Amino acid sequence: EVQLVESGGGLVQPGGSLRLSCAASGFTFSSYSMNWVRQAPGKGLEWVSYISSSSSTIYYADSVKGRFTISRDNAKNSLYLQMNSLRAEDTAVYYCARETLYFDWLIDYWGQGTLVTVSS
Amino acid sequence: DIQLTQSPSFLSASVGDRVTITCRASQGISSYLAWYQQKPGKAPKLLIYAASTLQSGVPSRFSGSGSGTEFTLTISSLQPEDFATYYCQQLNSYPPTFGQGTKVEIK
Repeated sequence: EVQLVESGGGLVQPGGSLRLSCAASGFTFSSYSMNWVRQAPGKGLEWVSYISSSSSTIYYADSVKGRFTISRDNAKNSLYLQMNSLRAEDTAVYYCARETLYFDWLIDYWGQGTLVTVSS
Repeated sequence: DIQLTQSPSFLSASVGDRVTITCRASQGISSYLAWYQQKPGKAPKLLIYAASTLQSGVPSRFSGSGSGTEFTLTISSLQPEDFATYYCQQLNSYPPTFGQGTKVEIK
């Protein structure tokens, strides 16, 4: 069974940093591209970042470019999101999401999400 | 960026109703569109991709159609477990974008 379990969320002050982790199991993690998608409270879905299976290709949404860094450790079956210079508008549930092998940007499995709250 | 506009944003319907949700893209995206269902406090679930291909395990009462700039998600006979928020997503180009969502509530 495919499982994606996020951790690392919490309350942080504006300007602060946080590192999210996603532990993957039930599939060959090193074969799949991965994404982070977020959802502000009561709002819709917003794609945040993408990393290819080998980490050779990385993309970011304009809203986080220069502040967030995506990475992965295939030996540890783990995905990460380092978030710096956090702003109030970064407050959201952050989902770790697996991209299908057959369709770019299509997500077939999502984690349960981890809440990040940016507030003083 | 490609903008996706869903209509309606809110829909009130009864069990057994036929429900249709529309997603319009700001430019042509061929059939590169997916639909997700999200229930409160839960992660989204993939329903349909390539505009009309049903994801494995999804009930056949769900169907999708369209190409280019206009797409529809249809639920042929609404069931109690279908009350949720539905999102479209374009898969055509970077950055991937989502519609604003359509909340389906019980009448």
